Amino acid sequence: GAGVSQSPSNKVTEKGKDVELRCDPISGHTALYWYRQSLGQGLEFLIYFQGNSAPDKSGLPSDRFSAERTGGSVSTLTIQRTQQEDSAVYLCASTLLGAGGGEQFFGPGTRLTVL
Amino acid sequence: KNEVEQSPQNLTAQEGEFITINCSYSVGISALHWLQQHPGGGIVSLFMLSSGKKKHGRLIATINIQEKHSSLHITASHPRDSAVYICAAPNYGGSQGNLIFGKGTKLSVKP
Repeated sequence: GAGVSQSPSNKVTEKGKDVELRCDPISGHTALYWYRQSLGQGLEFLIYFQGNSAPDKSGLPSDRFSAERTGGSVSTLTIQRTQQEDSAVYLCASTLLGAGGGEQFFGPGTRLTVL
Repeated sequence: KNEVEQSPQNLTAQEGEFITINCSYSVGISALHWLQQHPGGGIVSLFMLSSGKKKHGRLIATINIQEKHSSLHITASHPRDSAVYICAAPNYGGSQGNLIFGKGTKLSVKP
């Protein structure tokens, strides 16, 4: 595909359940970011993968949140024991690092609703 | 850690007016991002700029690295420009890495 894709587009879950959100970055992009946007709030950083380096997890709000990036491509964000305050739009972005790179391309997001 | 401030938070304009949105940040950077988010829509990157000025159609972005300030201008505004405009800066300076976002400017252009 030409852009960043995310699935599912919408997810409704019950409090306490685990959820997995998927991101397919643009092919060849070396860096991948997860952000989230809560209702009425701005965008906040969650986690950042760059090549084979250890991910920057400094934005994860609690240890219920984790993410993996397999084979330097697809990434999965997992939220365990979801809480109502986890309800938000989760956005993935990818970029090509290095000279001339840095522009971030965003996916359409996954809207998570925790009942 | 970078802090990004935007103004105004809300802006209503008549079609055809010249629009300016301002952004300031606290940590020196090499590149700043301007993004656009339509209601219910995704986020689109408008500009990534390191110095001076960039122009794309009716959109112009300027940056003063020394002053840690950037502006986004829209000339001859149109109702389809109605969206939230967000500026973002690399969290730890430089030009790459995760972004810290301003709270956004909600622009509404009336016909």
